[in-house]
Amino acid sequence: KAGVTQTPRYLIKTRGQQVTLSCSPISGHRSVSWYQQTPGQGLQFLFEYFSETQRNKGNFPGRFSGRQFSNSRSEMNVSTLELGDSALYLCASTPTGGPSPLHFGNGTRLTVT
Amino acid sequence: AQSVTQLDSQVPVFEEAPVELRCNYSSSVSVYLFWYVQYPNQGLQLLLKYLSGSTLVKGINGFEAEFNKSQTSFHLRKPSVHISDTAEYFCAVSDPMNYGGSQGNLIFGKGTKLSVKP
Repeated sequence: KAGVTQTPRYLIKTRGQQVTLSCSPISGHRSVSWYQQTPGQGLQFLFEYFSETQRNKGNFPGRFSGRQFSNSRSEMNVSTLELGDSALYLCASTPTGGPSPLHFGNGTRLTVT
Repeated sequence: AQSVTQLDSQVPVFEEAPVELRCNYSSSVSVYLFWYVQYPNQGLQLLLKYLSGSTLVKGINGFEAEFNKSQTSFHLRKPSVHISDTAEYFCAVSDPMNYGGSQGNLIFGKGTKLSVKP
């Protein structure tokens, strides 16, 4: 079974631009979560989607948004990029029903210059 | 709010020596606990999980962890480490207020970098 796939692996953007990151979960997994990882703040939860609905949201500004499609693939968007948005963005998926561990992709490394 | 503390940011150890990576969490209610490992330029990989039952949990690559409810700890151990265990290790806990409706919101510790020297 293929793992969680994130594209692209690396991105370089300029301040003020916007960016869209993509995540394809493991087949059959309907929950997709996004995390931001930085050296200073560590791993921080951005949001979770389940059946195309945002089920939970972390403490991030409205510039960070996401969506999920009917095939469970998810995208996250960051508008008006700031230097502090430079981070590794990790996507994770879980199957439905009961407590299950997260299955992570390899992440997208975003650098904002 | 729930929090996770990994007491050591870096742990150097010689190959074949035992290691313990410490993790404490704040909640006194029932929680789910996880240890993940991250190799350079990769995502996180699950090492082991505690959901219920036996307090000694065995995971992959020879790692194990012990859940101690009274001390709110979930320390990770390995009796003999290898060079290939060099990585960053993260302890994570579910937020019991969210778990019923949300599986994806884990609270992570800041990580412990394990460095295994020959």
